[in-house]
Amino acid sequence: AQSVTQPDIHITVSEGASLELRCNYSYGATPYLFWYVQSPGQGLQLLLKYFSGDTLVQGIKGFEAEFKRSQSSFNLRKPSVHWSDAAEYFCAVTLFYNQGGKLIFGQGTELSVKP
Amino acid sequence: DAGVTQSPTHLIKTRGQQVTLRCSPKSGHDTVSWYQQALGQGPQFIFQYYEEEERQRGNFPDRFSGHQFPNYSSELNVNALLLGDSALYLCASSFHRTGGQETQYFGPGTRLLVL
Repeated sequence: AQSVTQPDIHITVSEGASLELRCNYSYGATPYLFWYVQSPGQGLQLLLKYFSGDTLVQGIKGFEAEFKRSQSSFNLRKPSVHWSDAAEYFCAVTLFYNQGGKLIFGQGTELSVKP
Repeated sequence: DAGVTQSPTHLIKTRGQQVTLRCSPKSGHDTVSWYQQALGQGPQFIFQYYEEEERQRGNFPDRFSGHQFPNYSSELNVNALLLGDSALYLCASSFHRTGGQETQYFGPGTRLLVL
């Protein structure tokens, strides 16, 4: 079955430390890949996306993600975390050519930032 | 440039009632998708509307229905509400592209509580 897995439910990092959030997908073909961030009680904000081309993509707020086809992964990274990065992060995938644009989301990773 | 807007922000209903949620897409967008996000979960796709027709549907019962208007705005209707329908309902808009590579932008959501 097609699925998206975010193995870490909750991660705590110290302010200024580096961050990596994991995302793995299970699809027969390479999907389109997205990372969204959600602050408490808010909607989702797009951080970055991968459609094709360079497998390292840059996003907003200093985030980047790397697509690794061999590992079916699309991990999100940030070199230095700020307290304002505390939020819930969702990885999402879609296969437009047969899915009509439906996004499939992972369960999310909650990020806490220690001062 | 206004982003995706949703109304109302919060809603309280009782079991068996019906509810209508509204969404206005981002300027220039013609496609609207609806998602349900239960507490502690990732969003689940309900359906998507393009050219005033339901383009694709997720695994939701017929109690969930929708509509898209000529100005691209959309409504989500839920009949015979159940306690389990309590959730954050997210609307996302995108611009339809032949061949895919559509990016969905989310509104702030409507928080529905069913008592």
